[in-house]
Amino acid sequence: DAGVTQSPTHLIKTRGQQVTLRCSPKSGHDTVSWYQQALGQGPQFIFQYYEEEERQRGNFPDRFSGHQFPNYSSELNVNALLLGDSALYLCASSLAGGLLSSPTYEQYFGPGTRLTVT
Amino acid sequence: DAKTTQPPSMDCAEGRAANLPCNHSTISGNEYVYWYRQIHSQGPQYIIHGLKNNETNEMASLIITEDRKSSTLILPHATLRDTAVYYCIVRATVGGYQKVTFGTGTKLQVIP
Repeated sequence: DAGVTQSPTHLIKTRGQQVTLRCSPKSGHDTVSWYQQALGQGPQFIFQYYEEEERQRGNFPDRFSGHQFPNYSSELNVNALLLGDSALYLCASSLAGGLLSSPTYEQYFGPGTRLTVT
Repeated sequence: DAKTTQPPSMDCAEGRAANLPCNHSTISGNEYVYWYRQIHSQGPQYIIHGLKNNETNEMASLIITEDRKSSTLILPHATLRDTAVYYCIVRATVGGYQKVTFGTGTKLQVIP
């Protein structure tokens, strides 16, 4: 049973460029959340997708956008990259459906994509 | 969201119990306490969660105080592979959907 997978593993971009990161959730999971983790910091919630819609969003500008596909996989897009966007981008999946208050709501994280903006 | 406070770092001798504290004094009645850990350069790994009762699984035990304002994660016999950053988080429900807020965590160093 495959866990959460992310691609690419590493990425180097230049300021002003656009980037797309991809995530495949754990088998059977239907909800995907994205996090940004700067060096030495805890992960910061970007947004969450369920049923192909953005359901919750953290304190991130509109340059950060996403998409969820019918097979539950997801993409994170960042436009007009800034140096400060350099971070580890984590994807987490969970089985939620409509029961997001379920006590068994556990997020499984992928290994992350290391984005470096130069 | 309820905020959590953890010591930035702790050391533990290999084979001894590691006790990691967390304060969450603003936790509300329906919020769960979750613990994750992150080994260097990997994604966070779920450890355990609880509401008000103490919990135990194959990885750890979670002790939550009666007033739920603090909790302690216990790794009963720490090994070198337990060296990681440990995050205590409180789940918030916003409009029926969950949002997870991580703090800066506790860096646990297990010493041989």
